[in-house]
Amino acid sequence: AQKVTQAQTEISVVEKEDVTLDCVYETRDTTYYLFWYKQPPSGELVFLIRRNSFDEQNEISGRYSWNFQKSTSSFNFTITASQVVDSAVYFCALSGGDFQGAQKLVFGQGTRLTINP
Amino acid sequence: ETGVTQTPRHLVMGMTNKKSLKCEQHLGHNAMYWYKQSAKKPLELMFVYSLEERVENNSVPSRFSPECPNSSHLFLHLHTLQPEDSALYLCASSQEWDTTNYGYTFGSGTRLTVV
Repeated sequence: AQKVTQAQTEISVVEKEDVTLDCVYETRDTTYYLFWYKQPPSGELVFLIRRNSFDEQNEISGRYSWNFQKSTSSFNFTITASQVVDSAVYFCALSGGDFQGAQKLVFGQGTRLTINP
Repeated sequence: ETGVTQTPRHLVMGMTNKKSLKCEQHLGHNAMYWYKQSAKKPLELMFVYSLEERVENNSVPSRFSPECPNSSHLFLHLHTLQPEDSALYLCASSQEWDTTNYGYTFGSGTRLTVV
């Protein structure tokens, strides 16, 4: 069975601090995809990134960066120089790599991030 | 309109009422999903439709009844709900069998309160 664990339920930091959100996953699939989504107070889940299991290169997008390590089954997300607008609930998710049908995302419990001015 | 649109945004209903949630996607996707988000619980997959056929029903009580009349529309019909069904219901869509365009688009959700 697939499982995603986000051990940090809530994180609160002061603006401009760096913050890392942890994600650990379990799967027996050899091909799989990992995702991060942001859920602002408005409710919709906003797609941030997708990584496949064969690509362990770290990725940077502006102030966001992701560290994928298969050896530890982790896919951590770091926000550099955090801003108040980064305040949201962040979800890590996992999906199998079988493209023969509709895909199902398994989500972690989410981490509520609060950036204080 | 673009993306995934859900209506209504908020719904309060009594336990004996019948109501429906609507989801519409304008992305040309061929798979649609209902997720339930309760307080302090992970997002739970409820139903999956692929090419308008239901391919997944995750042991959801029969008081929730999905309908997918075409690839752009998805409904969730509600009847005789319980207070514990109060949650944010999220609709999502994706394009399957297309490895170059793999990703989910979510709607803003319907905040349901059962009284």
